[in-house]
Amino acid sequence: LAKTTQPISMDSYEGQEVNITCSHNNIATNDYITWYQQFPSQGPRFIIQGYKTKVTNEVASLFIPADRKSSTLSLPRVSLSDTAVYYCLVGSSGGSYIPTFGRGTSLIVHP
Amino acid sequence: EPEVTQTPSHQVTQMGQEVILRCVPISNHLYFYWYRQILGQKVEFLVSFYNNEISEKSEIFDDQFSVERPDGSNFTLKIRSTKLEDSAMYFCASSGRGGNGYEQYFGPGTRLTVT
Repeated sequence: LAKTTQPISMDSYEGQEVNITCSHNNIATNDYITWYQQFPSQGPRFIIQGYKTKVTNEVASLFIPADRKSSTLSLPRVSLSDTAVYYCLVGSSGGSYIPTFGRGTSLIVHP
Repeated sequence: EPEVTQTPSHQVTQMGQEVILRCVPISNHLYFYWYRQILGQKVEFLVSFYNNEISEKSEIFDDQFSVERPDGSNFTLKIRSTKLEDSAMYFCASSGRGGNGYEQYFGPGTRLTVT
């Protein structure tokens, strides 16, 4: 089971780009990287997922280097509503999979 | 957009009582999950369910817990004899496919308070 490490907290200001890096040194060949966002008293919400290189959707980009031992979630031009906890999960797309949420990164966006 | 729903939103029960938390997953999903989150702590996996049986379960999911899909739409979590430490938010999630290769859709949660 790949263990993930993220910064506990980050601060940013409205309009800035935020990059949150997750380390997963023992990622396995079949593992995907998935990021979730959670607001207080709500369930986590899927943001983005990738396997290698770069993935972009309407809300974020995910950068994964060739060795896949880390990944970076990039949020362009954050707003106050992006204040949340962000979780990085690593796991196989099939077979045995136990979703493991770490402590996540608490992002606070300031006006 | 389809969504996962959970009832009740808040459940208060006395220690030792049985509770059943209900979830309606997204209709064409086949994989179902329960998680809990104690206030201020991380989201913890409890159990995954596919094809009418448990796929994986964590150490938290002991004999006091059970899951069931009683009909084609509901997915329930039962706690037989609640303890104070069971107080938490319980989230249900569903997915069209298993594993981490596929997005899980989470419900809004049920806040369980055991007194």
